[in-house]
Amino acid sequence: DVKVTQSSRYLVKRTGEKVFLECVQDMDHENMFWYRQDPGLGLRLIYFSYDVKMKEKGDIPEGYSVSREKKERFSLILESASTNQTSMYLCASSFSTGGFLGTEAFFGQGTRLTVV
Amino acid sequence: AQTVTQSQPEMSVQEAETVTLSCTYDTSENNYYLFWYKQPPSRQMILVIRQEAYKQQNATENRFSVNFQKAAKSFSLKISDSQLGDTAMYFCAFGGSQGNLIFGKGTKLSVKP
Repeated sequence: DVKVTQSSRYLVKRTGEKVFLECVQDMDHENMFWYRQDPGLGLRLIYFSYDVKMKEKGDIPEGYSVSREKKERFSLILESASTNQTSMYLCASSFSTGGFLGTEAFFGQGTRLTVV
Repeated sequence: AQTVTQSQPEMSVQEAETVTLSCTYDTSENNYYLFWYKQPPSRQMILVIRQEAYKQQNATENRFSVNFQKAAKSFSLKISDSQLGDTAMYFCAFGGSQGNLIFGKGTKLSVKP
């Protein structure tokens, strides 16, 4: 069964902390993504990766960084958490079709992060 | 840049009835994919249906079907015989040459008994 697993379902962090959100997929997918979901705004892309050690900025990369040292793992890092980063974070993965997204993205269960 | 618009923030339907969710998109590309995803209260995003832009035939999956109008850049989702388990957020998404999915803001569907 296809699986994308996010390390935490709920997380509470303090302003200024460095926060790591981890995502692991077991489908040998090349592509991995981090989205942020806010009410009324839908899903917005933070970063994505086509391959190990490769990353591309999405629409809202400010305040975030990512790491992909192994194919199955994609980490999102909040360098210095702020209250406006309180949100739902969704990780996803998909097969590569030569850079064209032909197959569907599979999603993790989401991490609801609260920064206080 | 590509954009996806869902003009209905909320909708409701009676159980066993049919409902149609609207989606329009903007792109200059000719080859792309379109998707409808469902997100129930459990938060797990699930693919409902997929349409390839080069196919004229509308995709169907059991009670779910789409009306794909390429020239009008419209991609609506029809749910027939609505069930209580269809209650969820529904997101329309565009997949083009950038390699990632672009999502609309979502439609919250409530199925009432």
